[in-house]
Amino acid sequence: NAGVTQTPKFRILKIGQSMTLQCAQDMNHNYMYWYRQDPGMGLKLIYYSVGAGITDKGEVPNGYNVSRSTTEDFPLRLELAAPSQTSVYFCATSYLNTEAFFGQGTRLTVV
Amino acid sequence: DQQVKQNSPSLSVQEGRISILNCDYTNSMFDYFLWYKKYPAEGPTFLISISSIKDKNEDGRFTVFLNKSAKHLSLHIVPSQPGDSAVYFCAASISGNTPLVFGKGTRLSVIA
Repeated sequence: NAGVTQTPKFRILKIGQSMTLQCAQDMNHNYMYWYRQDPGMGLKLIYYSVGAGITDKGEVPNGYNVSRSTTEDFPLRLELAAPSQTSVYFCATSYLNTEAFFGQGTRLTVV
Repeated sequence: DQQVKQNSPSLSVQEGRISILNCDYTNSMFDYFLWYKKYPAEGPTFLISISSIKDKNEDGRFTVFLNKSAKHLSLHIVPSQPGDSAVYFCAASISGNTPLVFGKGTRLSVIA
């Protein structure tokens, strides 16, 4: 079992470019989340999903989009990258809203 | 407005001694609390949790204490080991029905 797999691990984007951060899980969890962690800060929730076809905004959703067409995948889309989106992005899953299992993270730099 | 606060950015402890990491919360609706551990370049990993129906939960060297009236919880690590050096995040949710809200983390350094 791979658990939660995030790709890519690192990425450098130019301002205005777009990209999709991939997240896949094989734990058969309904709940999936995207968090970002800025230096010296905690994890802030961007979007979450309680099941296929259902997504909800978190604390910091601006500049991002998500979709959940399957239980396994929860991609995060950046349409127009900005320097403020430089961060480490973590995808997580949980059975209910209890202990969440995290991926290794994607370190994104926007220049 | 931070709902979960970890006011100590860092803590240094000697190997073998007790480490005490603190966390305060402001939302009285929170009733489920967790601690996560994070090593550099890795995702956070779940360590221990506590429900508001308890005031203590123990798992090996790790114990979490909850003081609901003070809206305060703490993580005790006894004895501390060099491998415990990491960033520790406190997190909270409401009845397991809301996504986890995290504090900013405390960096623990255990010195041999």
